[in-house]
Amino acid sequence: GNSVTQMEGPVTLSEEAFLTINCTYTATGYPSLFWYVQYPGEGLQLLLKATKADDKGSNKGFEATYRKETTSFHLEKGSVQVSDSAVYFCACGDFGNEKLTFGTGTRLTIIP
Amino acid sequence: GAVVSQHPSWVICKSGTSVKIECRSLDFQATTMFWYRQFPKQSLMLMATSNEGSKATYEQGVEKDKFLINHASLTLSTLTVTSAHPEDSSFYICSAPGRTEPYEQYFGPGTRLTVT
Repeated sequence: GNSVTQMEGPVTLSEEAFLTINCTYTATGYPSLFWYVQYPGEGLQLLLKATKADDKGSNKGFEATYRKETTSFHLEKGSVQVSDSAVYFCACGDFGNEKLTFGTGTRLTIIP
Repeated sequence: GAVVSQHPSWVICKSGTSVKIECRSLDFQATTMFWYRQFPKQSLMLMATSNEGSKATYEQGVEKDKFLINHASLTLSTLTVTSAHPEDSSFYICSAPGRTEPYEQYFGPGTRLTVT
């Protein structure tokens, strides 16, 4: 089956710092890739997604590029804000399969 | 967008009792729903896939007799924790997939279960 490995964390950064959260995946086919975010006290919500190689997903200043050659989908943001403090989950899903495989999550804390 | 609700949002029960958690898709139909358990260090464990009109599919290591899942309708799945013990205390989350590829998940807000 599929597997997702992401940076363990916790990650603590100062406001306006550059963020990278690493994510790599193992899959037999050509999965779709996702980043979900869980803000304090809330449910998980989709942050961005990419469905094929070299696709770039972006939302709220976050970006991630589907790199098939390195089986990676690293999350980046150029200048983080305190409001970005949350837990971030990388996930992958096979075409035609509704089930997603999640990484263990990375807790991000941004300090002013 | 698609909304998934859970009820209750938190529950405290005594050891040995059973607790039912509901998961509803509010503005869409879901023939499939997923139940997760989230541990204190945030990792998400898929427990089972709930299938409308048929038996749930459990992940390896999850006791099906302890975590009973019923997908009664196209908008409702329930998870019953039977004979709860303190080690069952956790955060339980459900989700339902969207209707088109890629199947992003819509998550409920979660239910905090504390067994005393």
